[in-house]
Amino acid sequence: ETGVTQSPTHLIKTRGQQVTLRCSSQSGHNTVSWYQQALGQGPQFIFQYYREEENGRGNFPPRFSGLQFPNYSSELNVNALELDDSALYLCASSFPSTYNEQFFGPGTRLTVL
Amino acid sequence: AQTVTQSQPEMSVQEAETVTLSCTYDTSESDYYLFWYKQPPSRQMILVIRQEAYKQQNATENRFSVNFQKAAKSFSLKISDSQLGDAAMYFCAYRSPNTGNQFYFGTGTSLTVIP
Repeated sequence: ETGVTQSPTHLIKTRGQQVTLRCSSQSGHNTVSWYQQALGQGPQFIFQYYREEENGRGNFPPRFSGLQFPNYSSELNVNALELDDSALYLCASSFPSTYNEQFFGPGTRLTVL
Repeated sequence: AQTVTQSQPEMSVQEAETVTLSCTYDTSESDYYLFWYKQPPSRQMILVIRQEAYKQQNATENRFSVNFQKAAKSFSLKISDSQLGDAAMYFCAYRSPNTGNQFYFGTGTSLTVIP
């Protein structure tokens, strides 16, 4: 069974640029959630996708957007990057019947200069 | 919105000893799920233990156990016979069945294991 994978591992961008982060969910999981984890903080929920539709969103502006593909992989897009967007971005996949547990990927470390 | 509070930013324990990490949460819901996740320096969050709120019995997974006090909205994690590999950030998380799979995380406790 393949776990959750994310790419790239690290990324450096400048303010105002756009970035796309990618996530491959664990085999059989149809739900993907994205989290932002600032340094020294717990993960903050950005949004969730279920069967290619957004299914819940946290307190993040519209410049944070996402996609989920038929194979349940997902992208997180962030436009007009700001310095405060520097963080670890975690992807987590799940399937409703598995005790509601989320399986996390290793994250993408985004640095905005 | 639900909030999760971890009041211990840092904890340390001697190898082979026992340590308890604290977590409290605020909710008006009666049915929910609680989790403890471990995040080692490799960054990947790993599930340590979970508890369903409707179950009165405290969950146990080998050396890890919880003390779930529903009325007090408290969910502490006890690690027995601590090992060097237990050193990590530990996050308490709350999941509401009413908000899909959204997890609410605390700010974490950094656990150091002293040889």
